Amino acid sequence: DAEITQSPRHKITETGRQVTLACHQTWNHNNMFWYRQDLGHGLRLIHYSYGVQDTNKGEVSDGYSVSRSNTEDLPLTLESAASSQTSVYFCASSEFQPLGPGKAFFGQGTRLTVV
Amino acid sequence: KNEVEQSPQNLTAQEGEFITINCSYSVGISALHWLQQHPGGGIVSLFMLSSGKKKHGRLIATINIQEKHSSLHITASHPRDSAVYICAVYAGGTSYGKLTFGQGTILTVHP
Repeated sequence: DAEITQSPRHKITETGRQVTLACHQTWNHNNMFWYRQDLGHGLRLIHYSYGVQDTNKGEVSDGYSVSRSNTEDLPLTLESAASSQTSVYFCASSEFQPLGPGKAFFGQGTRLTVV
Repeated sequence: KNEVEQSPQNLTAQEGEFITINCSYSVGISALHWLQQHPGGGIVSLFMLSSGKKKHGRLIATINIQEKHSSLHITASHPRDSAVYICAVYAGGTSYGKLTFGQGTILTVHP
C-alpha cells in the first residue's frame, strides 16, 4: 500500500546543530508539505513543493529549508537549530485533481527537541 | 481572528452520546478536511468534502458553502473516539493545495 513515512520519529539535538528530517511518500504525489504543530498555534505551514525542483516558503519558514530532487522525498533541514524550533513536525502529500486539490495524506510526525 | 474557527475547544461525553463539532471559516474554499489525531499519533483524514454530506460508519460530515460552516457528527460515541479533531480548509487562488487549520477540538469519551 502507498504510504508517507517520516524519520526519525523522535530526535533530540543541541542548539546550533544542523538537523534534517526525512519525508518519503510512495503515492507519487506532486504536492508535498511540511507543517509544525505547537500548542496554542495549531498546525502551521513551513515549506511546500508542487513538484521536482519546486520549493516555496510557508508562513513560518525562517530557519528552515527544503529541497526536492525527486517526486518521493522532501527533506526538511534546520540550518542551525534553536529552542524555538522544538515542535512536532508533520509531512503531508496530495495530488492535483481536475476539480481542485486532492485528499491530503499525513506522516506519523517527528517530535524534535532542541536543548 | 483565525481564518478557521472550531467549537468547542474541549468536549467531554459519555459513551453512547451524540457528538457535534463545528467549524466556521472566513475565506473562500475549494474543499474542507476533517482530520483525526490520537494522542502521540499521526494525523488521519476522516473526510474531504466540498459540498453536502458524507458518512462513514458512525461519522457524518456536513458542509454549507454559503454559510461557510461545516460540522462533524459522531453517533453512539465510544472511548476509542477520544482524540483531537481538526478542521482544515483548502483556500482558493494562490493558496492552492495548502491547508489552513483550525485549533482543534479535544474530545474525551468516558465509558
